[in-house]
Amino acid sequence: RKEVEQDPGPFNVPEGATVAFNCTYSNSASQSFFWYRQDCRKEPKLLMSVYSSGNEDGRFTAQLNRASQYISLLIRDSKLSDSATYLCVVNSPGNTGKLIFGQGTTLQVKP
Amino acid sequence: DGGITQSPKYLFRKEGQNVTLSCEQNLNHDAMYWYRQDPGQGLRLIYYSQIVNDFQKGDIAEGYSVSREKKESFPLTVTSAQKNPTAFYLCASSLTGIAKNIQYFGAGTRLSVL
Repeated sequence: RKEVEQDPGPFNVPEGATVAFNCTYSNSASQSFFWYRQDCRKEPKLLMSVYSSGNEDGRFTAQLNRASQYISLLIRDSKLSDSATYLCVVNSPGNTGKLIFGQGTTLQVKP
Repeated sequence: DGGITQSPKYLFRKEGQNVTLSCEQNLNHDAMYWYRQDPGQGLRLIYYSQIVNDFQKGDIAEGYSVSREKKESFPLTVTSAQKNPTAFYLCASSLTGIAKNIQYFGAGTRLSVL
């Protein structure tokens, strides 16, 4: 089993749609969770951290379910510019700063 | 502007050759990391350093070497022992090497074998 698993997609959605991505992680001792966005042939950039209580940043909402070891990202009112790969990222327990990356979920927003 | 600079952007390696990828940061971050990304794959950790003059192997360190002589710099050498070096190499840094600190990435170096 992979340490961080994501559905690779691609998810093809029309502009204005709401889309949700899910991610599961294997190590219950992980403490920090993130969603990164990676555009084609570019570096990953932090989209948002994920907090236990859930958090929202504009059209983006992240949720964490520690009991199920499950993280989600919801994008409302999709824009063409949201087309990218979304990486689910979890820290490796042990406080070394090491991160474990999922393979990413590709989103394509169509006009 | 503060940030992480990787060079070169593209690099070609001949058989049996060692090549060095540069990573410099002016963010005053203590921790630095090297990752490799293959097509359709997540990032895999090669080496990381939490402090100057100290570094640890990541998950795929074989065929690679690093140094951390200065806080700002963390060069990666891809040695001839790395038989499949073609990949996108990403350098990252974070304030300190603890769990909650966010990692910021450079623009990457694409390495290909001639």
